[in-house]
Amino acid sequence: GDSVTQMEGPVTLSEEAFLTINCTYTATGYPSLFWYVQYPGEGLQLLLKATKADDKGSNKGFEATYRKETTSFHLEKGSVQVSDSAVYFCALLYNNNDMRFGAGTRLTVKP
Amino acid sequence: KAGVTQTPRYLIKTRGQQVTLSCSPISGHRSVSWYQQTPGQGLQFLFEYFSETQRNKGNFPGRFSGRQFSNSRSEMNVSTLELGDSALYLCASSLNRGEAFFGQGTRLTVV
Repeated sequence: GDSVTQMEGPVTLSEEAFLTINCTYTATGYPSLFWYVQYPGEGLQLLLKATKADDKGSNKGFEATYRKETTSFHLEKGSVQVSDSAVYFCALLYNNNDMRFGAGTRLTVKP
Repeated sequence: KAGVTQTPRYLIKTRGQQVTLSCSPISGHRSVSWYQQTPGQGLQFLFEYFSETQRNKGNFPGRFSGRQFSNSRSEMNVSTLELGDSALYLCASSLNRGEAFFGQGTRLTVV
């Protein structure tokens, strides 16, 4: 079945460093793709999304481009802040609202 | 606009008991999905309700059940609790098919 695979980390960066979290997907078609973020003790918050190939989702300085050639949806940010420390999940929309999530990547940003 | 509300936030139950969790979706959202989050298995889809009907179901035993009311509020029930049911249970609401908005979750501990 459709699934996503993301680098598990943990990832530790210094403030203002460049961030990349890799995500690749396996799917029979072209599902919508998402990045969610989870802060300690909280539920998931939608960070960005892309609904078709070549779409670029962006929000709060984070970006990800839906690339069907490489079946990827890598998350990037040019300059991370301490407040970006959280767990990041890549996901695809499988069937109606059955969302398939990656294992999550824990990011820690140090001042 | 109020977000997704889950109650209670925390629960402690004994093995063999049953538990009911509640989720109030965002006003106007007709789809409610439930997920189980554990350190070992990550985020796993339980089921989805749309307009009071179960539209999708994940690979969980029949001890896990749910329902949705005419006002779109949803409940999830787990009977004959096992230690392995300890998890964060997340509810997500959507308009129809698309991005999901998550609640803060119910932390269930089975002792």
